[in-house]
Amino acid sequence: GDSVTQMEGPVTLSEEAFLTINCTYTATGYPSLFWYVQYPGEGLQLLLKATKADDKGSNKGFEATYRKETTSFHLEKGSVQVSDSAVYFCALRGAGSYQLTFGKGTKLSVIP
Amino acid sequence: NAGVTQTPKFQVLKTGQSMTLQCAQDMNHNSMYWYRQDPGMGLRLIYYSASEGTTDKGEVPNGYNVSRLNKREFSLRLESAAPSQTSVYFCASLGQVNSPLHFGNGTRLTVT
Repeated sequence: GDSVTQMEGPVTLSEEAFLTINCTYTATGYPSLFWYVQYPGEGLQLLLKATKADDKGSNKGFEATYRKETTSFHLEKGSVQVSDSAVYFCALRGAGSYQLTFGKGTKLSVIP
Repeated sequence: NAGVTQTPKFQVLKTGQSMTLQCAQDMNHNSMYWYRQDPGMGLRLIYYSASEGTTDKGEVPNGYNVSRLNKREFSLRLESAAPSQTSVYFCASLGQVNSPLHFGNGTRLTVT
C-alpha cells in the first residue's frame, strides 16, 4: 500500500537558518503530494501541494518539488522564523483515491 | 465561514463508557474523514465517508463506529472506551478529489 516516510524530529534551528525536511513516498501510479502544518492546539492546514512530476509547490517562503525519479517531496525554506515553529506532515493521495496517507510528522522549533 | 467544527474539544471517559464525537462542515463537501493522532504515529485514518450515504473503514477502525447523518455531519462513536483510545481525534472534509483536506481543531480524549 501507499506509505510516506519523513525525517524524524525534533528539529531545532536558529532564526534565519535554512530548513530541509525530507520526505519520500511509496505509491503506485502518480499520487498527489502535500505538506501540512500543525500549530500548537490546532488542526492541520495545507501548506503546499503538487499534483504531477516536476511540479513545485510554494507558500509562505516554503517550497517542495515533486521528484518522481527519487520518489521525494522535500520541504525547504531559506530563512526560518520563530513563527514557523510547528509540526510538519508530508502526505500523499493516490490517483483517484479518497484516502490521504500521512507521514509521522516532524516537529520544528525555531529559536531566536 | 466556520469550516469544520468538532465537539467537544476535551473529554475524559472511564473504561467501558461510551460517547459520540460530533463533526459538522459548512463547505458543502462530499467527503468526510475521522483521524486519530498519537505521538510518534502521525495521523491514522479511522473511517471515512466518500459521499453522503456511504462509509468505509480506514487503517484503524476497530472499536469505533461512524454515522454520516447528512451531507454536513459525520459522527464517530466509541461504544466501550478503552485506554488505547486515548488520543486526539480530528475530523476533516474534502470537496473535490484533488483539493486539500480541511481539518477541524480536534477533540482531545482521555480514557482512564
